[in-house]
Order: sequence, then structure tokens, then C-alpha cells
Amino acid sequence: EIVLTQSPATLSLSPGERATLSCRASQSVTDLLAWYQQKPGQAPRLVIYDASNRATGIPPRFSGSGSGTEFTLTISSLEPEDFAVYYCHHRTLWPTFGQGTKLEIK
Amino acid sequence: VQLVESGGGLVQPGGSLRLSCAASGFTFSDYYMSWIRQTPGKGLEWVANIKPDGSQQFYVDSVKGRFTLSRDNTKNSLYLQMNNVRADDMGVYYCVREAGGRNENWFDPWGQGTLVSVSS
Repeated sequence: EIVLTQSPATLSLSPGERATLSCRASQSVTDLLAWYQQKPGQAPRLVIYDASNRATGIPPRFSGSGSGTEFTLTISSLEPEDFAVYYCHHRTLWPTFGQGTKLEIK
Repeated sequence: VQLVESGGGLVQPGGSLRLSCAASGFTFSDYYMSWIRQTPGKGLEWVANIKPDGSQQFYVDSVKGRFTLSRDNTKNSLYLQMNNVRADDMGVYYCVREAGGRNENWFDPWGQGTLVSVSS
């Protein structure tokens, strides 16, 4: 089973700042990695798939990068609605998720 | 595209519950469908999925032999029969379509979730 480790657990930033979230896989997953956003009381929402492709309706301030075992989700300039928990996810026959990074307002 | 779950509630340990998911806005019979749960202990955990024609299902080890996933493509509906429910099954259960990417298997979109509580 591939284990995904996200860092940091909590990231405290202000609106307008740049956010960088990391996800490390225990073995190579090539570019088969996605990111999801979850706001309180809501279901997760797909943000990035295949490591670097934005999902439908996701603004261009969101970008994903990486391959192999190291991945990054970057939000170039934080908007108030971006503060949420972000999960990375790898998909094989047995999908796995990271434990999440909480992006909170400083 | 919309997924609406129902059927959650309070169940005793060892009891049974049937979750349903009504799909709309897309050709349901074209897609793999999954259930994913979110629990305090394990966070997000994929539970099971089913092929578009319903011919094959896959389960996480912890629910094998207890949960059964099925679908009715004539009713655009997905079902999860949960038997011999345990305390660690407690959480929010999401119905999810598998779509997107070159393998068409990312989780998008998710339903709003239905809460399963386990208590005697």
C-alpha cells in the first residue's frame, strides 16, 4: 500500500499570501496524484488531477506540480474562500489519501 | 451532475443499514462509482467501487464479507448494504463518481454525504 504524507499539518497564512502544500508518496506514483479541497460541513471537491491539471471551475491561482514521490499544491494569492483542508490522493486499484493539511487564516 | 445519498442513521453494533445514492445530470451507466467514508480515526477512506455494468465490485479489506455494493442503472442508483456493522464503520459516507484524468478514475464529484452512527 502506498502511503501519502502531507506537510505541514497546519499552515497559517493571510489572504494575498502564497500557499505551498506538500505531499510525499512512499513509492513512485508517476503523476497519478490528485488534490481535494474540503470546507467545513462540505464534501471534498477535486482541485487538481494527474498532478498538474486543474479540475473544472478551479481558478488559475491553484497549480499542482511534481512527479514520482514529491508533489506540491500551490495557491498563488490566497482568497478568503481558499481556507480549507486539502488532501492529496493517489489512485491505483486501492485508492489512498493523505491525512490532510489545514490551511487556516493567520 | 448531482449525487444525493440517503439511508444513514443510527445502527447498533452487529446491525444492518442500507445506503442509497441517486445520481442525475450524467449517464450513470457509463461510470464506475465508489463509496468513500470519512471517519475520525482514519480520515478519508475508500470503501468500495463498482464497474459501470455492475459486473464486478472491489472492497477495502476491512469491509469484505460485510458490505455489498450494487447498482441499478435503470434507476440511476447506487446502493451499499452494510451488515454486521462495527464501531469503526462510523462516519460520513460519500457517494462518488469516478471521472477525469487519463484513466478516468479520479473522484469527481462527491455527494453531500450521509452520516452513519454506531451505538448500542
